[in-house]
Amino acid sequence: GQQVMQIPQYQHVQEGEDFTTYCNSSTTLSNIQWYKQRPGGHPVFLIQLVKSGEVKKQKRLTFQFGEAKKNSSLHITATQTTDVGTYFCAGKSGGSYIPTFGRGTSLIVHP
Amino acid sequence: DVKVTQSSRYLVKRTGEKVFLECVQDMDHENMFWYRQDPGLGLRLIYFSYDVKMKEKGDIPEGYSVSREKKERFSLILESASTNQTSMYLCASSMEGILSNQPQHFGDGTRLSIL
Repeated sequence: GQQVMQIPQYQHVQEGEDFTTYCNSSTTLSNIQWYKQRPGGHPVFLIQLVKSGEVKKQKRLTFQFGEAKKNSSLHITATQTTDVGTYFCAGKSGGSYIPTFGRGTSLIVHP
Repeated sequence: DVKVTQSSRYLVKRTGEKVFLECVQDMDHENMFWYRQDPGLGLRLIYFSYDVKMKEKGDIPEGYSVSREKKERFSLILESASTNQTSMYLCASSMEGILSNQPQHFGDGTRLSIL
């Protein structure tokens, strides 16, 4: 079935450093969603990308969807301790009912 | 705001028991989902439902069944609990029908331990 690979699995950064997580699919995706799960919490929807080459920003977070719609990235500028958590991508191909989640990237921010 | 409520935050059961996990959403969503979350494995889909009495297998349905008798309620059933079903179980819901592009709204999860 459809697979969505997400790297890295963990990322340690010093507060103020940048962070990027990548999501890759072997098949073309119709859309990609990003979620954040705080420690002890549940995944919360952040954003959805639909168009080839789309870039969206939410304050210090920048989301990109690749031109071929097979990859996506989430970049956080100048991380803060409030950014700690696991970031998941979820991609849906045209033939599937629902998105497939990547395994997530856990961000640890050291003050 | 969408509210997805899971009946228990923590649950301890014994091997061989029949276990019911309940999930209720208050936003009249068509789609409901059950996932399990294990360290390093992310979210894996067990079952989903796109309408009352309709269900579809996800990636790991073995050992589980589901029930959706009412639109707002989606139950996950472990027919005969085993220790390898110890996990965090997350329920989610989303708007509209099949092929929905809508975001999923998650409950707080049930941490289930099978002894």
